[in-house]
Amino acid sequence: AQSVTQLDSHVSVSEGTPVLLRCNYSSSYSPSLFWYVQHPNKGLQLLLKYTSAATLVKGINGFEAEFKKSETSFHLTKPSAHMSDAAEYFCVVSGGGSYIPTFGRGTSLIVHP
Amino acid sequence: NAGVMQNPRHLVRRRGQEARLRCSPMKGHSHVYWYRQLPEEGLKFMVYLQKENIIDESGMPKERFSAEFPKEGPSILRIQQVVRGDSAAYFCASSPGQETLTEAFFGQGTRLTVV
Repeated sequence: AQSVTQLDSHVSVSEGTPVLLRCNYSSSYSPSLFWYVQHPNKGLQLLLKYTSAATLVKGINGFEAEFKKSETSFHLTKPSAHMSDAAEYFCVVSGGGSYIPTFGRGTSLIVHP
Repeated sequence: NAGVMQNPRHLVRRRGQEARLRCSPMKGHSHVYWYRQLPEEGLKFMVYLQKENIIDESGMPKERFSAEFPKEGPSILRIQQVVRGDSAAYFCASSPGQETLTEAFFGQGTRLTVV
């Protein structure tokens, strides 16, 4: 069985400050991990993915995430938030004993001017 | 190579009517997943299909919901006798195959409103 927990339902930052969105996973085997972003009333866009290669993964729009097996974490970071980053972010796990991607509940990122 | 295509993007149905949601996977992809997103919630898995075969439907409601992925044409998610609680965004994803589940590509979703 696999699961993913996004520790914060909402994260609020000021424009230009760092972003940290937390994600912990549970998986029986080596999983693949993803971060997706969803802007209001839009579809899902893949930000980045980890598939057992480098543990520090760089994605689009300046986001990156680090896979830490010892902590079962895959936190998403960005050095400097932009207003356009305001959206819902989903951490997803798959491949770790289940072929069905499992979504976290999502974290709403709010960016203040 | 077009991405995953879902239509319609928006669908309004009266209570008791049927809703049909279509999903055309990416070219070369033979596996399709359907998810439902209720307001203020994450995406919940519904069903996983391969062409002409349902692999896993553990997330499908027992009644009124069905899905198919025929040999030719798009995958269809069908909801009979819709109720207000069916109002949600329904997302489809496709992948090349079960052995290559490192990535699933998502469509833009169909937003169903039941009035």
